[in-house]
Amino acid sequence: AQTVTQSQPEMSVQEAETVTLSCTYDTSESDYYLFWYKQPPSRQMILVIRQEAYKQQNATENRFSVNFQKAAKSFSLKISDSQLGDAAMYFCAYRLSGNTPLVFGKGTRLSVIA
Amino acid sequence: DVKVTQSSRYLVKRTGEKVFLECVQDMDHENMFWYRQDPGLGLRLIYFSYDVKMKEKGDIPEGYSVSREKKERFSLILESASTNQTSMYLCASRSGTRSSYEQYFGPGTRLTVT
Repeated sequence: AQTVTQSQPEMSVQEAETVTLSCTYDTSESDYYLFWYKQPPSRQMILVIRQEAYKQQNATENRFSVNFQKAAKSFSLKISDSQLGDAAMYFCAYRLSGNTPLVFGKGTRLSVIA
Repeated sequence: DVKVTQSSRYLVKRTGEKVFLECVQDMDHENMFWYRQDPGLGLRLIYFSYDVKMKEKGDIPEGYSVSREKKERFSLILESASTNQTSMYLCASRSGTRSSYEQYFGPGTRLTVT
């Protein structure tokens, strides 16, 4: 079974600084997708960034970028220039291609200190 | 914009009651999912459906059932609610095309069983 591990239950960062959230996953498949989701205190889960496993280039979305290391099965999220609105639970998730469900890690709670 | 709605934000039920949690999506998505979210455990998949009248068990289906009579609606049923089913329940939907990637979430239902 596929598993996703987030080893940092809580993290904090100073406003305007950079923080990296860790994620590792376990799979024997080669065709899959990886995601980071954000859940602010209001509870609506939203997609932050995604990565297709076949792409070598790391995905970037504005201040958010990933470090995808396929051989190491690692998928970390870097948030640059952290803002107060970045405070949330962040979930790493994985799924195979096709009609398959997302498998989530246990989440990392990020606090942003003004 | 894709919209996933859930029938209640907060629900309080008594032990032994039959509970219905409703989820509706407005984007003609084939795939729909029910997760429960508990602190320290992340999101765990209860059931998912990839088509009308189709359902698949997730990781924790015990004590739950689902119904999908129409494409846009996916219901989660607690046949006889128990206190250990007190949790946040999240519904999600996603297109069934191979290239699709984003899974959209509803706002969640906070269920308390007393």
